Amino acid sequence: GAGVSQSPSNKVTEKGKDVELRCDPISGHTALYWYRQSLGQGLEFLIYFQGNSAPDKSGLPSDRFSAERTGGSVSTLTIQRTQQEDSAVYLCASSLRTSGQYYEQYFGPGTRLTVT
Amino acid sequence: AQRVTQPEKLLSVFKGAPVELKCNYSYSGSPELFWYVQYSRQRLQLLLRHISRESIKGFTADLNKGETSFHLKKPFAQEEDSAMYYCALRGGYNTDKLIFGTGTRLQVFP
Repeated sequence: GAGVSQSPSNKVTEKGKDVELRCDPISGHTALYWYRQSLGQGLEFLIYFQGNSAPDKSGLPSDRFSAERTGGSVSTLTIQRTQQEDSAVYLCASSLRTSGQYYEQYFGPGTRLTVT
Repeated sequence: AQRVTQPEKLLSVFKGAPVELKCNYSYSGSPELFWYVQYSRQRLQLLLRHISRESIKGFTADLNKGETSFHLKKPFAQEEDSAMYYCALRGGYNTDKLIFGTGTRLQVFP
């Protein structure tokens, strides 16, 4: 079946502009995760959703970052007033559910964000 | 604090040589650890998890609580093993949030 999809695949934006990144999880997956992959930093957790609620936003680096999920499906990560340090690959993952037994996370291809 | 450390950014070996990718963790409680792999131009994918105690593509990893390590090993490396490898720690019982190390690039030369 279809895997996790993300759009756009690449985004170049000017410093100070707002950007929206989209994630389409695997159908039926109730948990959705956003991670950021920066050069030399590995993967950093940003936020996760269980259904439409976000029990853990602890990884969002600043209040310029926000995310929402509607209908228990698509999620949008929004970065306001982008800065050069926001340049990274943003990865989305989904899993069947969270809590208790671990369910494997399936990752999308990522969105490469470049802030000039 | 929860942390995963992968001390090597790059590991280069010749085909047929043994491989060990190091991973150390910091976690209070009973950890769940994973190895993820990203082949060139492919998505990040799960390679193995410690509770499965299985061998995937010839790779194994043993959790050593005394040394807080979860090193990934393969006795005979293959060229197709060349990839980026990430060690990851589950962030807690009630979450599947993963805490990743910075990754080790494995290069296997013919």
